This record gives sequence, structure tokens and C-alpha cells, in this order.
Amino acid sequence: DAGVTQSPTHLIKTRGQQVTLRCSPKSGHDTVSWYQQALGQGPQFIFQYYEEEERQRGNFPDRFSGHQFPNYSSELNVNALLLGDSALYLCATRTGGRPYEQYFGPGTRLTVT
Amino acid sequence: QKEVEQDPGPLSVPEGAIVSLNCTYSNSAFQYFMWYRQYSRKGPELLMYTYSSGNKEDGRFTAQVDKSSKYISLFIRDSQPSDSATYLCVMSKTGGGADGLTFGKGTHLIIQP
Repeated sequence: DAGVTQSPTHLIKTRGQQVTLRCSPKSGHDTVSWYQQALGQGPQFIFQYYEEEERQRGNFPDRFSGHQFPNYSSELNVNALLLGDSALYLCATRTGGRPYEQYFGPGTRLTVT
Repeated sequence: QKEVEQDPGPLSVPEGAIVSLNCTYSNSAFQYFMWYRQYSRKGPELLMYTYSSGNKEDGRFTAQVDKSSKYISLFIRDSQPSDSATYLCVMSKTGGGADGLTFGKGTHLIIQP
């Protein structure tokens, strides 16, 4: 089992550009959540996807959007990048059978210049 | 006031010592309490999960929750250099984290050989 995988590992973008990050869940997991972790901070909840729909959203602007595919993989899109969007973006997946146990991927390090 | 307060450290202790990590929280709606461990350049991994007030033990780790004081702790016995990592206290209003997990800043722990 490959666990949760994320791509790319690192990304450098310019202010104003758009970015797409990808997440493949652990085998058997159907729910995907995205988190933003700024340097020296704990992760902050962006949103959660289940059955290809956004179920819950944290305190993030509409520039942050996502998608879940029929195979449960997910994308996070960020438009009009700001310098403050520089962070580690983490994907966490889980299954309904053990809802409290979320598995995190290694993250995508986004740098906005 | 942040919902979850956690001293970022660093906390440095000699190998074999008992480590005590703590968090306070302000939102009484939190019902589920977790501790995640995050190694450098990795995603967080679940260490302990508790629902009610009281103690829960797993090997060298003991999690303690006091809902009346809104205070949670993680104790590590016989600490090892491999325990060196950032420890994040995490809370949720629902068991599945459907509302998103709320993280503390994390405490950077260093176990000196």
C-alpha cells in the first residue's frame, strides 16, 4: 500500500499565477481533506471532499477550490497566488469505518515569489 | 484568543526522561482529541486518539484529557532520540473531522542522546 501520495513535491510560482496540486488517497479511503501549513504553524483546514462534493470548508477565500474524481483522488487549485500562499499543502484521507484516523501525505511545498 | 494554544518550544530533554506536552483550548464544542507527530519534511501521523476525559495509554505514550479545564496532555516515558519531532495537539467537534481538524502550533521536541 503506497499510502497517501501528493504531487508535485515542490513548486515555485509567481504572484498572480494559478497552481494545481494533486492527491491520491490511501487504498480504501474515500474522503479527502486539504490543509495549509505555514512555516512554524500547525496545519489549517481548507476543505473536505466526499462523494465528489465539497462537504466542509474552513476559513479560506474562494481563490482556493478543489475537485474529487470518481477514483477518490483530488486536486487543490489556487488562483491569483499571493506571497502569503507560500506554505506546505497537506492532503489527508480517511475511510468512514475509522473516521477519526486521518492519514496525511508528505505535502507539496509551494513557494510564491 | 486562538482556539488551541500550544507552546512551540523547542523542548530539549535527555534520553530516558519523561516528556510532558500540553495544550489548552477555548471551544467547549471540541469532543475529540488527538496527538499527531510530524517529522521534518513529512506529513503528520496519528499517535493517540481520545474521546472523553481521562487517560489513554499506548506503549510509552499516555494521553490525558481534562474537559472541565480544557486541557490535554501527552506523556512520553523512556524517551528515545527517535521521538525527536514536532508534536501537534489536534481537536475536532466530530469524530470524523467533518468539520476539519483544528491543530495547535506544535511543540518541537528534541531528545538528546
